[in-house]
Amino acid sequence: DAMVIQNPRYQVTQFGKPVTLSCSQTLNHNVMYWYQQKSSQAPKLLFHYYDKDFNNEADTPDNFQSRRPNTSFCFLDIRSPGLGDAAMYLCATSRAYAGAYEQYFGPGTRLTVT
Amino acid sequence: RKEVEQDPGPFNVPEGATVAFNCTYSNSASQSFFWYRQDCRKEPKLLMSVYSSGNEDGRFTAQLNRASQYISLLIRDSKLSDSATYLCVVNTDGRYSGAGSYQLTFGKGTKLSVIP
Repeated sequence: DAMVIQNPRYQVTQFGKPVTLSCSQTLNHNVMYWYQQKSSQAPKLLFHYYDKDFNNEADTPDNFQSRRPNTSFCFLDIRSPGLGDAAMYLCATSRAYAGAYEQYFGPGTRLTVT
Repeated sequence: RKEVEQDPGPFNVPEGATVAFNCTYSNSASQSFFWYRQDCRKEPKLLMSVYSSGNEDGRFTAQLNRASQYISLLIRDSKLSDSATYLCVVNTDGRYSGAGSYQLTFGKGTKLSVIP
């Protein structure tokens, strides 16, 4: 089945220790997104790739970076995680033409910062 | 005004009950509307798209009122397995926000608990 896969599902890192989360998709969608979601809050968009074009949200801290080496893969790098970065990180994909805006999410990576 | 507003709940209803969720959105130029379901500690999953004429999928009915910028979701004959948070989702419009129309704005969700 076509899907969005995230690894790892759970990640524990130390304060200030860089961490990389990965996302892959078999849907062949041209847009990939990274969201941060904290308890009882809406998913918050960090950035997205439209094909190879990177689009950062204005309020995304510089501590968060992303790479998309090819259509199928996208990475989220947190350079110096703080306690406030503990959250669920969700990867999503979509096509970007009218009538097909729905997004499909991976299972998420739950990040704990100690 | 928040872009997408929902009653956070929780809605606690008995099995078999009918429950309705409402959502308002601020961007009058939005064209695409969805309801997503999110189980505790899981990812959001697309429940259904919302069309102008209203649409139904089994026990679920979605309605859109463009004039009032209002979306609703009706669940009939509630099951225990319907317990989840329901997210109202609307596409953005690049003319106003600079964001691409393909981007989505999520509400905080309405929590539903169906009780035996």
